Amino acid sequence: DAGVTQSPTHLIKTRGQQVTLRCSPISGHKSVSWYQQVLGQGPQFIFQYYEKEERGRGNFPDRFSARQFPNYSSELNVNALLLGDSALYLCASSLWQGMLTEAFFGQGTRLTVV
Amino acid sequence: AQTVTQSQPEMSVQEAETVTLSCTYDTSENNYYLFWYKQPPSRQMILVIRQEAYKQQNATENRFSVNFQKAAKSFSLKISDSQLGDTAMYFCARTQHNAGNMLTFGGGTRLMVKP
Repeated sequence: DAGVTQSPTHLIKTRGQQVTLRCSPISGHKSVSWYQQVLGQGPQFIFQYYEKEERGRGNFPDRFSARQFPNYSSELNVNALLLGDSALYLCASSLWQGMLTEAFFGQGTRLTVV
Repeated sequence: AQTVTQSQPEMSVQEAETVTLSCTYDTSENNYYLFWYKQPPSRQMILVIRQEAYKQQNATENRFSVNFQKAAKSFSLKISDSQLGDTAMYFCARTQHNAGNMLTFGGGTRLMVKP
């Protein structure tokens, strides 16, 4: 079975631009979460979606948005990019959103803002 | 803010020896779960071991075991018979009952296993 897939793996954007990151969860998984991992730090929670509805939001500005599609894939959008948005963006999928449910991570998208 | 703290930014261990990584956390909840994740250079987070807070028995997965001290809010990871493939970043993480399976991560410990 395919694991969590994220695209693209790397991209470079200019300050002020907009970016869309994509995530395909493991087949059968209905929950997708997004995390931002700045170099040298632990991941920070951005969003969680379950059954196409937002179920959790971290402490990120409104420039960050996301959505989940009927096939449970997800997109993370970041508008008006800042240099500080440079990070590894991780997607995690799980069967549902219960506390014990194991989260499976993708390999991430490395975003560089110049 | 409820935090997870890993006080050892870097550690090294000789192959076949034992190493312990430390983690402390803050929570006001009684029901939560604790995890150790491994992140090799490939960047993919891999679950190493998990502990349910209501269970007193420490979790064990092959060479990996934890020392869970609930009152002290401490959750250390012991790696026995260290292997070169254990070289990676290790993150301690916590969930809480009112936030689904949202994970709060510590800052990580970089572990180097030396031949």
